[in-house]
Amino acid sequence: QQQVKQSPQSLIVQKGGISIINCAYENTAFDYFPWYQQFPGKGPALLIAIRPDVSEKKEGRFTISFNKSAKQFSLHIMDSQPGDSATYFCAACYNQGGKLIFGQGTELSVKP
Amino acid sequence: ETGVTQTPRHLVMGMTNKKSLKCEQHLGHNAMYWYKQSAKKPLELMFVYNFKEQTENNSVPSRFSPECPNSSHLFLHLHTLQPEDSALYLCASSQDFGNTEAFFGQGTRLTVV
Repeated sequence: QQQVKQSPQSLIVQKGGISIINCAYENTAFDYFPWYQQFPGKGPALLIAIRPDVSEKKEGRFTISFNKSAKQFSLHIMDSQPGDSATYFCAACYNQGGKLIFGQGTELSVKP
Repeated sequence: ETGVTQTPRHLVMGMTNKKSLKCEQHLGHNAMYWYKQSAKKPLELMFVYNFKEQTENNSVPSRFSPECPNSSHLFLHLHTLQPEDSALYLCASSQDFGNTEAFFGQGTRLTVV
């Protein structure tokens, strides 16, 4: 119930392509779904987040798609760039619980 | 920089040593967290402090001992660790305890020999 499952574990995309990372959850009480980006030697940093009252949120080249009925959400990176190469983590949280539950992470490599 | 500073960045310690990790935040946040990040695993929440009070201990072995003397500082005291405790230890803070943005430090890379 507390798990967040993330796929794929690794992803290689050509420059200019679309990167798609998927996450699924079980706990319907989750009401906050952030994505974190982590570069080597750095801590994770918030990239974009969504709440379940909307189905999509876009910030620049990054879009979260949210499917409440399927209990799934995904990150789309449009026009992927080599500088996007990092590890991406999805997470989920519910207000009463407080703590972020993280997915396993996806290592993205964007080839020039 | 995220406003969350961790020291040291790297630490090598023997199994009989005692050492401490330090975390400091200048963001005025009320909640602070310790996470463990091992290769190929999700970030594991270890401890949560809200207004200096420990609100969660996620079944962490007693060889890890947290301390939160004030809302800006968080320590993780280590003693008699095992090689499997080698990992990246991340500190984070958030404005409140709940679904708000967490800011992470750069972590301490711990190696237990």
